[in-house]
Amino acid sequence: DQQVKQNSPSLSVQEGRISILNCDYTNSMFDYFLWYKKYPAEGPTFLISISSIKDKNEDGRFTVFLNKSAKHLSLHIVPSQPGDSAVYFCAARPYNNNDMRFGAGTRLTVKP
Amino acid sequence: DVKVTQSSRYLVKRTGEKVFLECVQDMDHENMFWYRQDPGLGLRLIYFSYDVKMKEKGDIPEGYSVSREKKERFSLILESASTNQTSMYLCASSLSGRALNTEAFFGQGTRLTVV
Repeated sequence: DQQVKQNSPSLSVQEGRISILNCDYTNSMFDYFLWYKKYPAEGPTFLISISSIKDKNEDGRFTVFLNKSAKHLSLHIVPSQPGDSAVYFCAARPYNNNDMRFGAGTRLTVKP
Repeated sequence: DVKVTQSSRYLVKRTGEKVFLECVQDMDHENMFWYRQDPGLGLRLIYFSYDVKMKEKGDIPEGYSVSREKKERFSLILESASTNQTSMYLCASSLSGRALNTEAFFGQGTRLTVV
């Protein structure tokens, strides 16, 4: 059973609008969360992270929100750009262990 | 820049063959990981290693083994390849410990086809 879930396999947004990608987790021992971006034929690259002591982390156009009580996090991209089109993976790990688990991914398409 | 290098981008092997996938990292990271990526299933952890000669099973270790004889190198071994092991294989490495900046860095992936 997957401990990290991304229930939307795909998302399509217009350039300039906000993209919101969602992620849920089941393991209450997770306390560090990451988002990765993956282009075809390349390995995933790290995008942004958040620890459980925070509820928001911002880096330029990318913001990650964490709702620990709901075991839910989301990635906001504002404004979305065509170059953001990729598969986005949510990942999580426990504090004292570097065993990192990933979700199934969401394919984001940003239309010009 | 961290570099994680996988020995092959594409491999085609026959059913029953023994297959070795090699991964090397150049940043002295303690942790190394092997994942496979399949459509709709995302990245699933096969094995990880937190030190030389140490290994831990991930979610789907069946049919695989690993070897870590040197800190920079982590090998994935398919003892007897089967068609259901056709997949994209991704190696990653990260720092260990409780530091927050322990994001994993990935190689470019190996697309393995078993025929």
